[in-house]
Amino acid sequence: DVVLTQTPVSLSVTLGDQASISCRSSQSLEYSDGYTYLEWYLQKPGQSPQLLIYEVSNRFSGVPDRFIGSGSGTDFTLKISRVEPEDLGVYYCFQATHDPLTFGSGTKLEIK
Amino acid sequence: QVKLQQSGAELVKPGASVKLSCKTSGYTFSTSYMSWFKQIPGQSIEWIGMIYAGDGGTGYNQKFKGKATLTVDTSSSTAYMDLSSLTTEDSAVYFCARRGYNFDYWGQGVMVTVSS
Repeated sequence: DVVLTQTPVSLSVTLGDQASISCRSSQSLEYSDGYTYLEWYLQKPGQSPQLLIYEVSNRFSGVPDRFIGSGSGTDFTLKISRVEPEDLGVYYCFQATHDPLTFGSGTKLEIK
Repeated sequence: QVKLQQSGAELVKPGASVKLSCKTSGYTFSTSYMSWFKQIPGQSIEWIGMIYAGDGGTGYNQKFKGKATLTVDTSSSTAYMDLSSLTTEDSAVYFCARRGYNFDYWGQGVMVTVSS
């Protein structure tokens, strides 16, 4: 199975500052069709996960442009600029390139 | 608007089975894919499997083969997941989510507690 290693495990950020989360894959996530099926989800406390980013860098409808996904191959990053109170929760990277589909272990974002 | 409404919390005895439902609305269910996930509180999320509502075709995470069975009822736009031979390790929150190009809509989750 593809292992997605997220760092850091937790992150404490001052409102208005930037946060950065890394996701490293044990295998390349580029599929044979040329697409890279790496997604980012945010799970707020007590809620279902919500989609932020798909195919590495595409923001889902309604997601603020403060959220920026980047990377290729096995190394990916989610940057959140100007952190706001509603950004707190656990961020997961996720891959749909290889079977079985897998999530990273999560990064908990706390507000200082 | 798209909605995925899951059934309520379950308390079941070890060795029993449980059938979870995910009733959808707001989109064309019969040509869509649905996945199910498991999350033990405080832990990450595991993908259980996916079903195509058009023909009932399924794909499972090897880890959950024999444990989970996915089905659909297109007449009611509802997806189901049967969990069998439950043990305490199956106690978790289970989510359904629609797969288009990504998992864009999720159910609210349902807590399954396995206890005697």
